Amino acid sequence: AQRVTQPEKLLSVFKGAPVELKCNYSYSGSPELFWYVQYSRQRLQLLLRHISRESIKGFTADLNKGETSFHLKKPFAQEEDSAMYYCALITGTYKYIFGTGTRLKVLA
Amino acid sequence: NAGVMQNPRHLVRRRGQEARLRCSPMKGHSHVYWYRQLPEEGLKFMVYLQKENIIDESGMPKERFSAEFPKEGPSILRIQQVVRGDSAAYFCASSPSDGTRNTEAFFGQGTRLTVV
Repeated sequence: AQRVTQPEKLLSVFKGAPVELKCNYSYSGSPELFWYVQYSRQRLQLLLRHISRESIKGFTADLNKGETSFHLKKPFAQEEDSAMYYCALITGTYKYIFGTGTRLKVLA
Repeated sequence: NAGVMQNPRHLVRRRGQEARLRCSPMKGHSHVYWYRQLPEEGLKFMVYLQKENIIDESGMPKERFSAEFPKEGPSILRIQQVVRGDSAAYFCASSPSDGTRNTEAFFGQGTRLTVV
């Protein structure tokens, strides 16, 4: 079955603390994974994709095929990081499957 | 490029009426996706279309829901005889067909359907 699991609905951290948003996937083929973010009153937008191996706004995500995970990390959270984060997988037929999302709240 | 445009942004329907949600993909994009977001829940895949073809409708309810993406014009998600449980935000996304799976999906701002 093709599935993306984000176990935490809500994650609250203090400003300056490290952040890790968990994502696990189930996919029989070679996975292509993404993180999307939705800031308040804005549309959902791409944050990063695993193939690019890039760091965006201080966030990184490493694909771990052994653990079938693609956790999103940032060493020092900022208040403007507060948003809804979705992990997503694209299948061989170009279908995007999203997790249920994690709401990140960064407290002052 | 204006981005993915969805209209209306807000739609109120009485139980039993029909709801039509429109999505104009970004210029040059031939893949369109519809997702539903219920309150306090994540995005649920509904249907994936290419021009004039439904590729995957495994997330669509068997009755009352239909989608199309005609050769000309926007993609339409149609809900007949709406019920209160259809109240949700419906998001459309589009992506280009560049032959890779590394393509980004661009989202519209959604249509919030309220059934009264």
